[in-house]
Amino acid sequence: DQQVKQNSPSLSVQEGRISILNCDYTNSMFDYFLWYKKYPAEGPTFLISISSIKDKNEDGRFTVFLNKSAKHLSLHIVPSQPGDSAVYFCAASASYGGATNKLIFGTGTLLAVQP
Amino acid sequence: DAGVIQSPRHEVTEMGQEVTLRCKPISGHDYLFWYRQTMMRGLELLIYFNNNVPIDDSGMPEDRFSAKMPNASFSTLKIQPSEPRDSAVYFCASSYHLEYPTDTQYFGPGTRLTVL
Repeated sequence: DQQVKQNSPSLSVQEGRISILNCDYTNSMFDYFLWYKKYPAEGPTFLISISSIKDKNEDGRFTVFLNKSAKHLSLHIVPSQPGDSAVYFCAASASYGGATNKLIFGTGTLLAVQP
Repeated sequence: DAGVIQSPRHEVTEMGQEVTLRCKPISGHDYLFWYRQTMMRGLELLIYFNNNVPIDDSGMPEDRFSAKMPNASFSTLKIQPSEPRDSAVYFCASSYHLEYPTDTQYFGPGTRLTVL
């Protein structure tokens, strides 16, 4: 049972345009969401996160939007650069009011930014 | 800092053989995680340790898988006997300590396992 779903295995965009990566989740107890980025032959690296008490978090070219009612989050990259080409993993955690290190990851979306 | 170190980077073995994957976490990190990446299931958490003690092994697929952390600087993931469906990339990650709501995990480069 996949609690975190990334339904688009791949996405191709032109350099300078916006990239939008989507993620859906099923567990209503998830209260913290993260995006990790992975280059070939490397491990994933943390990119950006958002708490369920917010609906938007921005860090430079990267913005994550959270729609709790739809159980949906998205990562926007503006403008997209060829160096952004990588696999992007969505992840979620349920803290139950405390703290947790247990992350549930999605299947990933391969982003290709064309020069 | 050298980051999380995993060995070997690639492993090819035959069905039925024992496979041991190794991980050295970042010095000073209290938490260590083992993940498996496949196309169908993405990144799956197999097990994680806090201060060398296994906390949650609910993701370990079956008894053929076992993990140990004999000290703060070393962990192993063992598959015995291995099967072709175990072919995947196995990642080790570590994090400093538990911060609300969660702590950043630092991943190693992974071990690509192929079971023939």
